[in-house]
Amino acid sequence: AQRVTQPEKLLSVFKGAPVELKCNYSYSGSPELFWYVQYSRQRLQLLLRHISRESIKGFTADLNKGETSFHLKKPFAQEEDSAMYYCALSGGSGGYQKVTFGTGTKLQVIP
Amino acid sequence: NAGVMQNPRHLVRRRGQEARLRCSPMKGHSHVYWYRQLPEEGLKFMVYLQKENIIDESGMPKERFSAEFPKEGPSILRIQQVVRGDSAAYFCASSPSRGPGANVLTFGAGSRLTVL
Repeated sequence: AQRVTQPEKLLSVFKGAPVELKCNYSYSGSPELFWYVQYSRQRLQLLLRHISRESIKGFTADLNKGETSFHLKKPFAQEEDSAMYYCALSGGSGGYQKVTFGTGTKLQVIP
Repeated sequence: NAGVMQNPRHLVRRRGQEARLRCSPMKGHSHVYWYRQLPEEGLKFMVYLQKENIIDESGMPKERFSAEFPKEGPSILRIQQVVRGDSAAYFCASSPSRGPGANVLTFGAGSRLTVL
């Protein structure tokens, strides 16, 4: 079974403060991990994926297999980062990759 | 490319009626996912389909809910005899079957079902 846990429903930070959105996963194989973001009145969209190892909008996330974590980080929060963030895991067998999402964390950046 | 199209965007039904939600995947995508989002909750997996094949329906309630993705036409999520607890936003996403984007989902705007 695959499971994604996002322990915080809401995270409030001041503009310019560092941000860390937590994500832990459970999966017996080698998963692929993602972060998706949903801005107000917009569709859910991909923010980044662990295999790309890139920074998007200042956000980075490192896959830690020992801790089974994939936390999303940004050194300095901006007001436009306020959104709903979902961690997701893709895993499966036989060529089919089921994608499971966490319950999401709402990031609120206070001006 | 119009992206993932869902309709209707808003649907109101009375208890006991049927709700049909449609999803047209992105061009070239052969896999479709349906998720449900209840108020103040995250995305809950319902079903994962390929054309003419249900790959995983472990998240779908055993009764009243069904999904299909026919050879021609959109994927349909059908809810029979709706109850108030079915009120939610239903999101569809699609992905290609292979290649570097195979696990990356493109989402539709969602269909909001309200049961009176």
